[in-house]
Amino acid sequence: AQSVAQPEDQVNVAEGNPLTVKCTYSVSGNPYLFWYVQYPNRGLQFLLKYITGDNLVKGSYGFEAEFNKSQTSFHLKKPSALVSDSALYFCAVRDSAVAGFQKLVFGTGTRLLVSP
Amino acid sequence: EPEVTQTPSHQVTQMGQEVILRCVPISNHLYFYWYRQILGQKVEFLVSFYNNEISEKSEIFDDQFSVERPDGSNFTLKIRSTKLEDSAMYFCASSPTGGRGTEAFFGQGTRLTVV
Repeated sequence: AQSVAQPEDQVNVAEGNPLTVKCTYSVSGNPYLFWYVQYPNRGLQFLLKYITGDNLVKGSYGFEAEFNKSQTSFHLKKPSALVSDSALYFCAVRDSAVAGFQKLVFGTGTRLLVSP
Repeated sequence: EPEVTQTPSHQVTQMGQEVILRCVPISNHLYFYWYRQILGQKVEFLVSFYNNEISEKSEIFDDQFSVERPDGSNFTLKIRSTKLEDSAMYFCASSPTGGRGTEAFFGQGTRLTVV
């Protein structure tokens, strides 16, 4: 069965510094990978996705993510963090080899705290 | 920008009572979903709905749950006899297609508290 791991409950970074939020996945077939962000009292907002092609994917708000097949990772990155980036970040996956194709499997989430 | 809206934002209900959570998906979307997040735990898939029928459901989605699209705009989740362990944040989502590479757009959630 497909799964996602987010090994860090919280990531702390100073404003202006680069940030990385880690995600590793496990699938039987090919992965379809997504990052979502959740601000307080808001729903999950889509940031970016990897389906196929270029391993570096660019998304909303200056975020990008790098797909690494050999390390089964899809880490979220941003060159320069903003205080307003502070939120809960979720990695999610769909597995091409699993029957039934709509279920998104989420990680446990990583809280990003950007200090001024 | 179009968005998924959910009502109410917070509902408190007594154990054993029926509850209906409501959602208005994005208007041109064809696939609809319910997910839930128990406090401090993962976001979990419950069910997907397409063409007026369930297309996929998880093991969580047992006989106490049902979904309906009663009027072409609303999408509802009914929990027939609530239990304490149903307390969670429930998210509705929609997507324009059902392909694996298609992202889902989520509402802000309904926090259900069963007492």
